[in-house]
Amino acid sequence: GDSVTQMEGPVTLSEEAFLTINCTYTATGYPSLFWYVQYPGEGLQLLLKATKADDKGSNKGFEATYRKETTSFHLEKGSVQVSDSAVYFCALRKRGSTLGRLYFGRGTQLTVWP
Amino acid sequence: DAEITQSPRHKITETGRQVTLACHQTWNHNNMFWYRQDLGHGLRLIHYSYGVHDTNKGEVSDGYSVSRSNTEDLPLTLESAASSQTSVYFCASSAGTEIFADTQYFGPGTRLTVL
Repeated sequence: GDSVTQMEGPVTLSEEAFLTINCTYTATGYPSLFWYVQYPGEGLQLLLKATKADDKGSNKGFEATYRKETTSFHLEKGSVQVSDSAVYFCALRKRGSTLGRLYFGRGTQLTVWP
Repeated sequence: DAEITQSPRHKITETGRQVTLACHQTWNHNNMFWYRQDLGHGLRLIHYSYGVHDTNKGEVSDGYSVSRSNTEDLPLTLESAASSQTSVYFCASSAGTEIFADTQYFGPGTRLTVL
């Protein structure tokens, strides 16, 4: 079945360090891919998305490229800030239908120290 | 501004009691979803609805029920609360109009403790 696998956390970095959070997926067909972020005490919010192979989603300095050949959608940021401390979720959604449920990974906790 | 709200934000109840968690959205979205979030499991889908009078089971639907009588609301009912249902519950909605990348909007969550 459809599923998403994220790297285990927690991830702890110093401010201005480079961030990579790995995400791979298993799906029939060509899904749309998402990264959601959850700040402490809040609900999830969309960070970025990509709808087809080789698309790059970007927002707030974060980027992720849809790699069909490796079934991956790794999240990257060149220089993290303390305010980026949150839980990050990778998710997929099947294309071709408006009836779209999301399949989430387990989440990766990121803590950034000043 | 359109929004999605959940109530209560915190709830403590006893084993065996019926509990209902409310979810209300003013986006006029067709799709609504209920998730639970637990350490080590991420988000797991409980129930979802693609429109009025439509409901579907997710991966962890046992012990939960929903009904959709209007577009704005999807209440989640725990028929007989169990300690294993202690969790944080999130409601989400999406327009259901984009084939490729329908964005889900999440509520702030309800922290439920079953003693």
